[in-house]
Amino acid sequence: EDKVVQSPLSLVVHEGDTVTLNCSYEVTNFRSLLWYKQEKKAPTFLFMLTSSGIEKKSGRLSSILDKKELFSILNITATQTGDSAIYLCAVGNPDKLIFGTGTRLQVFP
Amino acid sequence: NAGVTQTPKFQVLKTGQSMTLQCAQDMNHEYMSWYRQDPGMGLRLIHYSVGAGITDQGEVPNGYNVSRSTTEDFPLRLLSAAPSQTSVYFCASSPLRRDEQYFGPGTRLTVT
Repeated sequence: EDKVVQSPLSLVVHEGDTVTLNCSYEVTNFRSLLWYKQEKKAPTFLFMLTSSGIEKKSGRLSSILDKKELFSILNITATQTGDSAIYLCAVGNPDKLIFGTGTRLQVFP
Repeated sequence: NAGVTQTPKFQVLKTGQSMTLQCAQDMNHEYMSWYRQDPGMGLRLIHYSVGAGITDQGEVPNGYNVSRSTTEDFPLRLLSAAPSQTSVYFCASSPLRRDEQYFGPGTRLTVT
């Protein structure tokens, strides 16, 4: 059975801290790994990774994929209160996205 | 572009009632999908479509029907609502063979 597991389930930090969110997967026909941010409403796209070892960056966020060990990490440096959200990891195989349960990040001033 | 739109935003149904959740996109995306999101369970795929006239089941299809008569629209029908269908429903779309899906704002459904 295909599965995507995220850890930790929940994280509470102070502004300025650096956080690392984890995503491991066991999925047949892997095509890509995606990260989404979900605040109050719809998930919004952050990154898509298809190749091992190539870091993707967007401002204070970065992500990397290890296809040999079947995991990805999402790093957020110098966290801000606006980073508070649920971060979702999903694996794309043909025709579907398989989601993990998410990591809830709370950033306090 | 409006992107992916969903109506209604909120709905309360009684057990046994039927209704249709509407989803439309104006990006000419071939792929459209429906998910439900429940606490502690992430997003689960209900049904998806790779083009007009083609639909297929996802992980949790029971109790739901879909059809895709146009590229733009992908309605989700609840045939006989049950309390277990209380959830937040998201519609999403993407170009074919692209995994980056764009999500609508969601419909919060409560079945009493």
